[in-house]
Amino acid sequence: DVKVTQSSRYLVKRTGEKVFLECVQDMDHENMFWYRQDPGLGLRLIYFSYDVKMKEKGDIPEGYSVSREKKERFSLILESASTNQTSMYLCASSHGQGYTFGSGTRLTVV
Amino acid sequence: GENVEQHPSTLSVQEGDSAVIKCTYSDSASNYFPWYKQELGKRPQLIIDIRSNVGEKKDQRIAVTLNKTAKHFSLHITETQPEDSAVYFCAARGNTGTASKLTFGTGTRLQVTL
Repeated sequence: DVKVTQSSRYLVKRTGEKVFLECVQDMDHENMFWYRQDPGLGLRLIYFSYDVKMKEKGDIPEGYSVSREKKERFSLILESASTNQTSMYLCASSHGQGYTFGSGTRLTVV
Repeated sequence: GENVEQHPSTLSVQEGDSAVIKCTYSDSASNYFPWYKQELGKRPQLIIDIRSNVGEKKDQRIAVTLNKTAKHFSLHITETQPEDSAVYFCAARGNTGTASKLTFGTGTRLQVTL
């Protein structure tokens, strides 16, 4: 089974902090994604990457950046955390069609 | 870009009854439609998917239908059981060329009561 591992299950950060969310997959997938999940809004795409050092904006990229220096690792960066970025963050990887998701990181910004 | 609408947002059925969740999409070039189930506190998991060259697909108690002309697809669960209680998400993949990105619906919370 493909494993997608997110480094933290829960995080609490202060407003203005720089926050790093890490995601690692072990199946050599080309494509990796970051979504945020909010009640009533479903899963919204923040950024995705289809190759090392390649990245594309999703539907809600404002306030976020990403890094993909190695194929297996895709990092989401909150440059200056704000309270409206309190959410569940889900990483996913894909070889073609369906996704495999990580367990999620619940981030609270206070 | 693609837009996916999902209804209803909540659905309560009695054990043994059927449940139907409906989604519509906007991009006529979309060609792949997966459904994910997310149990409380867990990650979304793929339960069934359908490609645009197929009208219906079935896997035991779950089935998905696709109407390309109307741009809608539906999830059907028969003989529902308490373990079917979860949030279900539909998704669509546009034919944009890069990374197979999915656009998700807003989710349906299914409650199966005894």
